[in-house]
Amino acid sequence: GAVVSQHPSRVICKSGTSVKIECRSLDFQATTMFWYRQFPKKSLMLMATSNEGSKATYEQGVEKDKFLINHASLTLSTLTVTSAHPEDSSFYICSASGSSGRSYEQYFGPGTRLTVT
Amino acid sequence: GENVEQHPSTLSVQEGDSAVIKCTYSDSASNYFPWYKQELGKGPQLIIDIRSNVGEKKDQRIAVTLNKTAKHFSLHITETQPEDSAVYFCAASEGTYKYIFGTGTRLKVLA
Repeated sequence: GAVVSQHPSRVICKSGTSVKIECRSLDFQATTMFWYRQFPKKSLMLMATSNEGSKATYEQGVEKDKFLINHASLTLSTLTVTSAHPEDSSFYICSASGSSGRSYEQYFGPGTRLTVT
Repeated sequence: GENVEQHPSTLSVQEGDSAVIKCTYSDSASNYFPWYKQELGKGPQLIIDIRSNVGEKKDQRIAVTLNKTAKHFSLHITETQPEDSAVYFCAASEGTYKYIFGTGTRLKVLA
């Protein structure tokens, strides 16, 4: 149980375009989803926390107008990188936690590698 | 806010030997400490966790110890195997779901 998927696994886009990444909890209801960014050989940096049906809470230094997060249902959250630039190239990972049982646990998706050319 | 330090950054051990990775945290309110294994190009996978009301937890070859007074916790892997080679991250949380991750340890098990 507790499987989280991400789509796409890899994406290449041109500078100035927008790209959407989906995060789905496959076998549980995710009341809270998290979006992380990871640079090569670095740790995970939390970008934002989203609760189903409400606006995301962004970490300091993360531009909310650039990284749009939507958590419209208990199984789906999306991250849209708007007007992407090469410096947005990174590994983006989502995680989800549920409302029952060990609700403090986060289950991570496999990540999405974004390359902006 | 919480700060988590992790050591060492890289660790090489011979197959069959033990590996120990240590983390320290700063916020005494932290009460949940998971450990994750991340293989190249993949998301982190939870391997073991411990809550603050427990001092030690073991799952086969993996164990975690927690010293609340000193604010440090450690991951112990015994009888290491080549497939244990990966990057390991510790994290600390004070129960609001927000995790603060350590900087990671790249473990290499030499066959």
